[in-house]
Amino acid sequence: DAGVTQSPTHLIKTRGQQVTLRCSPKSGHDTVSWYQQALGQGPQFIFQYYEEEERQRGNFPDRFSGHQFPNYSSELNVNALLLGDSALYLCASSLASARGYGYTFGSGTRLTVV
Amino acid sequence: GENVEQHPSTLSVQEGDSAVIKCTYSDSASNYFPWYKQELGKGPQLIIDIRSNVGEKKDQRIAVTLNKTAKHFSLHITETQPEDSAVYFCAARKLKAAGNKLTFGGGTRVLVKP
Repeated sequence: DAGVTQSPTHLIKTRGQQVTLRCSPKSGHDTVSWYQQALGQGPQFIFQYYEEEERQRGNFPDRFSGHQFPNYSSELNVNALLLGDSALYLCASSLASARGYGYTFGSGTRLTVV
Repeated sequence: GENVEQHPSTLSVQEGDSAVIKCTYSDSASNYFPWYKQELGKGPQLIIDIRSNVGEKKDQRIAVTLNKTAKHFSLHITETQPEDSAVYFCAARKLKAAGNKLTFGGGTRVLVKP
């Protein structure tokens, strides 16, 4: 049973560029949450998607946007990249009916902005 | 919003000794407190969790205690082993039907010396 899969694993982008990160949830899960983890810090909640809609959002600017597809997979898009966007981006999936139990994280995408 | 503080930021213990990590939270409405272990190059992995209607929970060498009045919760690892070396994160969340955002502490880097 595959867990949460994220791609790519590593990415280097230039300031001002745009990036798209991808996440496939664990089999049977229908909710996807995205977190940003800066070096040496705890993960910070970006947003959560359920039924193809953004259900909750953290304190991140509109440059951060997302999408969820009918197969429950999700994308995180970041526009106009800043050096401060360099971080590990984590995707977590869960089952909405489980009210958040069974939250499973992927291994993340390491984004470096130069 | 919720704020979670975690101490210490680093912890070095001798193999076989105990390790204790402490967290405080600010939102008295939070009622679910998971602990995650993150190894290098991997996403956070749930190791134990506790709900607010329980004061203590144990799973082999790991235990978590919760003091709702003081808004404190702690992770206890007994008989530490080298494979316990990792970064540990506490988190807090309000269980509710819609949305299950986790607020993380800053992390504790644990080093178990053989």
